[in-house]
Amino acid sequence: DIQMTQSPSTLSASVGDRVTITCRASQTISNWLAWYQQKPGKAPKLLMYQASRLESGVPSRFSGSGYGTEFTLTISSLQPDDFATYYCQQYTSYSRTFGQGTKVEIK
Amino acid sequence: EMQLVQSGVEVKKPGESLKISCKGSGFSFTNYWIAWVRQKPGKGLEWMGIVYPGDSDARYNPSFQGQVTISADKSISTAYLQWSSLKASDTAMYYCARQGAAAPTGHWYFDLWGRGTLVTVSS
Repeated sequence: DIQMTQSPSTLSASVGDRVTITCRASQTISNWLAWYQQKPGKAPKLLMYQASRLESGVPSRFSGSGYGTEFTLTISSLQPDDFATYYCQQYTSYSRTFGQGTKVEIK
Repeated sequence: EMQLVQSGVEVKKPGESLKISCKGSGFSFTNYWIAWVRQKPGKGLEWMGIVYPGDSDARYNPSFQGQVTISADKSISTAYLQWSSLKASDTAMYYCARQGAAAPTGHWYFDLWGRGTLVTVSS
């Protein structure tokens, strides 16, 4: 199965910071990658799909990039509502797996 | 409003059976794959499997094949996840989620999620 590894596992940042989360796949997945945000006690929320496509209604401070095995999610200016855990998910036609998550904490 | 409404909290004993549900509304339920995702306490997300309500075609993560059954009843826009014999290790939050609207066949990300059903298995 395709393994997804996120880094860092935890990230401490301040409001206004530029934040980048990395997701690496154990084999190439083209651009079949999504990003989700999850807050405590809530369901995940889709942010990005196909690596760089912003889901409708998601603020433009979120952006995604990457192809093949290395991907990034960037928050251009961290807002109070963005403190949460972020997951990547690969969705090739034969496999779907999530990364282990990156918790973005208040510094 | 598009939504997936999941059934309520369950507390069961090891060995008992269970079927939880996920009812869709506000969209054409029969035209979207509906997945189940497990999240153990304090842990990450695991894709369990997916069903197409239009024809009840179900696909499974090999790690969950044989452990659960995923089904759907298109007449009432509801998907199901069931166990025949629960274990303590099945204790988790279970989410249903809809295939992304822009997802090509077989390439499943998820754009609409239910609020989750908490299942606790304890003697």
